[in-house]
Amino acid sequence: GESVGLHLPTLSVQEGDNSIINCAYSNSASDYFIWYKQESGKGPQFIIDIRSNMDKRQGQRVTVLLNKTVKHLSLQIAATQPGDSAVYFCAENRDSSYKLIFGSGTRLLVRP
Amino acid sequence: DSGVTQTPKHLITATGQRVTLRCSPRSGDLSVYWYQQSLDQGLQFLIQYYNGEERAKGNILERFSAQQFPDLHSELNLSSLELGDSALYFCASSGGLSSYNSPLHFGNGTRLTVT
Repeated sequence: GESVGLHLPTLSVQEGDNSIINCAYSNSASDYFIWYKQESGKGPQFIIDIRSNMDKRQGQRVTVLLNKTVKHLSLQIAATQPGDSAVYFCAENRDSSYKLIFGSGTRLLVRP
Repeated sequence: DSGVTQTPKHLITATGQRVTLRCSPRSGDLSVYWYQQSLDQGLQFLIQYYNGEERAKGNILERFSAQQFPDLHSELNLSSLELGDSALYFCASSGGLSSYNSPLHFGNGTRLTVT
């Protein structure tokens, strides 16, 4: 498969463990955040989103936490599975603008 | 499957040439976005169209242009190609005018290789 980036930070977890992927953003005006998953050879896939008036949002096996004080976003994946292996991107929308700004990504490797 | 269709999947061409990448958005989506993904740059926003009109521009070179047609499909035209234009080009669509509160749904991209 193709690489999204050669120098991505990598998180390696054991199958069944929980994973936490972190993202820092710099613009305090950002008001909407999204996590995407990108598997090899595919486009980014929407996982979960959160607005700035929330601190936490849960989906199926995933939770997003937003700490506006320190401009930090995290994605928690419960009971990580081999199919979760991918590159994960956070993206921010600033001031209800028209474009999303993507972070550099984190590669998640799940060990069987 | 995101519902966004991009063609072709792969494109190999020579420097100086011109290519056209095509995108069909999800049914009902009016906004189309183009992104470039290269190994050292991550996902870079190029341009957005909403219902046929250009709405936002990002880091798009003058050699590149795009349009959205009445049937809402979009084309990205890349001309005078250079080696550095080799990348994955993604199209995304959303229902709203802004990406705020309206997640983008991406196609699987076109891999462009310029030799």
